[in-house]
Amino acid sequence: AAGVIQSPRHLIKEKRETATLKCYPIPRHDTVYWYQQGPGQDPQFLISFYEKMQSDKGSIPDRFSAQQFSDYHSELNMSSLELGDSALYFCASSPRRSLAGAIYEQYFGPGTRLTVT
Amino acid sequence: AQKITQTQPGMFVQEKEAVTLDCTYDTSDPSYGLFWYKQPSSGEMIFLIYQGSYDQQNATEGRYSLNFQKARKSANLVISASQLGDSAMYFCAMREGIYNQGGKLIFGQGTELSVKP
Repeated sequence: AAGVIQSPRHLIKEKRETATLKCYPIPRHDTVYWYQQGPGQDPQFLISFYEKMQSDKGSIPDRFSAQQFSDYHSELNMSSLELGDSALYFCASSPRRSLAGAIYEQYFGPGTRLTVT
Repeated sequence: AQKITQTQPGMFVQEKEAVTLDCTYDTSDPSYGLFWYKQPSSGEMIFLIYQGSYDQQNATEGRYSLNFQKARKSANLVISASQLGDSAMYFCAMREGIYNQGGKLIFGQGTELSVKP
């Protein structure tokens, strides 16, 4: 079965540089989520998009921005990178509502490991 | 505010035995979902099982079952017949407003499970 695709899988940047992470959701999934997982920590929600509109926002720094495109893929843009931005960045997607109306599981991509030096 | 608590930082279990990973939660939203994810050392987040707040029966998926006690606000994961490949970090997560598109997952601190041969 198709899974969430993230690219690149690994990224090394220097302080103050910019980075762009890409996410391709599972086909027919229209909602995308971004999470940041620091070393030894649980994932923290950054932002989500539904039908190309921002639907929820978490602890995303102002230096970061994201968007979802017409083909439902999403990009997370990170500027003025800091050492503390080193983390595993997950993208997840979820399908349209079930017949019962509820939204179920979020399927995670393999993550992009960002290292800022 | 919603909160997830996993009180077991690490657990050991003998191969072929069953193990229970604890999770308690707090929310004022009547419509919520509870999730368990497995994160091996390779880093990916693997969805295991889901329980909706209105579900009458405990969720089961193969060797995984969720012991849902709504009054106690607990959602413990039971893994039967542990295998060496079950060694990983396990996260409990909650999502409020399961009828709304784009809602975030809040994660617990995780439990590191080690399966001994």
